[in-house]
Amino acid sequence: EIVLTQSPATLSLSPGERATLSCRASQSVGNYLAWYQQKPGQAPRLVIYDASKRATGIPARFSGSGSGTDFTLTISSLDPEDFAVYYCQQRDSWPLTFGQGTRLESK
Amino acid sequence: EVQLLESGGGLVQPGGSLTLSCAASGFSFSTYAMCWVRQAPAKGLEWVSCISGSGDYTFYADSVRGRFTISRDNSKNNVIVQMNILGVEDTAVYYCARRGGSGWGAFDYWGQGALVTVSS
Repeated sequence: EIVLTQSPATLSLSPGERATLSCRASQSVGNYLAWYQQKPGQAPRLVIYDASKRATGIPARFSGSGSGTDFTLTISSLDPEDFAVYYCQQRDSWPLTFGQGTRLESK
Repeated sequence: EVQLLESGGGLVQPGGSLTLSCAASGFSFSTYAMCWVRQAPAKGLEWVSCISGSGDYTFYADSVRGRFTISRDNSKNNVIVQMNILGVEDTAVYYCARRGGSGWGAFDYWGQGALVTVSS
């Protein structure tokens, strides 16, 4: 099973600041990594797929990078609506696995 | 517009069974793999099971293999998970999710979730 480790667990930033979230895989997943945003009481929403492709309707301030075992989700300038929990997920091999999440909170 | 609507959640005793259904609309259902992902209270996301578009291939997490069965009816545009021998550890919100792209992509659409509570 591929283990995904996200860091930091919590990130406290202010609107307008840049956010950098990390996801590290226990073995290579190629570029088969996705990022999801989840707000309280809501279903997750796909933000980035295949490491760097923005999902439909996702603003350009969101970007993804990385390949192999190290991945980054960057939000260039935080909007108040961006504060949420973010999960990474790999689809390279079964079982599909998620990271434990990074909580992005407003300072 | 893609829509996924889960139903069938509720309270069940340990050792009991429950069936969740997911009604899909707004896309060519039979051409997409469909999955279930769950989230225990105040916990992260856990993948449960997937089924191919044709229904020929199924995959399960170790934690549910042998107890859960996923199936689909492409004539009715729905996917079902039959859950047996439920334990308190199965308490979670269960999300139906579509795998996007050409085949087995990321989870590009999600339902609103169905709460399953296993308790005596």
